[in-house]
Amino acid sequence: DTGVSQNPRHKITKRGQNVTFRCDPISEHNRLYWYRQTLGQGPEFLTYFQNEAQLEKSRLLSDRFSAERPKGSFSTLEIQRTEQGDSAMYLCASSRAGGGGNEQFFGPGTRLTVL
Amino acid sequence: DAKTTQPTSMDCAEGRAANLPCNHSTISGNEYVYWYRQIHSQGPQYIIHGLKNNETNEMASLIITEDRKSSTLILPHATLRDTAVYYCIVRVVGGSQGNLIFGKGTKLSVKP
Repeated sequence: DTGVSQNPRHKITKRGQNVTFRCDPISEHNRLYWYRQTLGQGPEFLTYFQNEAQLEKSRLLSDRFSAERPKGSFSTLEIQRTEQGDSAMYLCASSRAGGGGNEQFFGPGTRLTVL
Repeated sequence: DAKTTQPTSMDCAEGRAANLPCNHSTISGNEYVYWYRQIHSQGPQYIIHGLKNNETNEMASLIITEDRKSSTLILPHATLRDTAVYYCIVRVVGGSQGNLIFGKGTKLSVKP
């Protein structure tokens, strides 16, 4: 399967703990996106990378959130000092850059539950 | 990106065509119409996109009105597996902007 993969698929943590999620994009895609989705809502954009450069960050991405894509391949999203409001599905997507359709291909998501 | 308006939910009988409408009255000339869907507990899946001409692929057809202020996604022969939330999104293609802006979408229920 050459689609977008995310690990872990589920994470349960206690409030105040740090968590890290990983996303492996489709190999030839140089853009990588992170979204967050809460129950009953559509996905909300968090941030995106083109290669290793983080080009855009949403206001939703508080200072407790940090994302990296050190070699322009996989990416990690870390949440420090988790809060119950961080409970959500965290989705990763990838695409080619520029012109044409550059549609985004999504992974299955990581479901975070903060107790 | 322009805002879109979709019905909250729709039902469709299995085997019939599902027609999902979307209003995007403030769409700009360089914005495309995209459709994604999200089956329960999965990530969103790209369906189709278009600028002003009607488009068809193996999944669906996209009909865009001449004034581009609305569009319809057509699933020609809906199956139970097409039950999902369908999102209509308008966005500029290319450039530095990357994100998709999702609304709440239309929850399509295909019934036997």
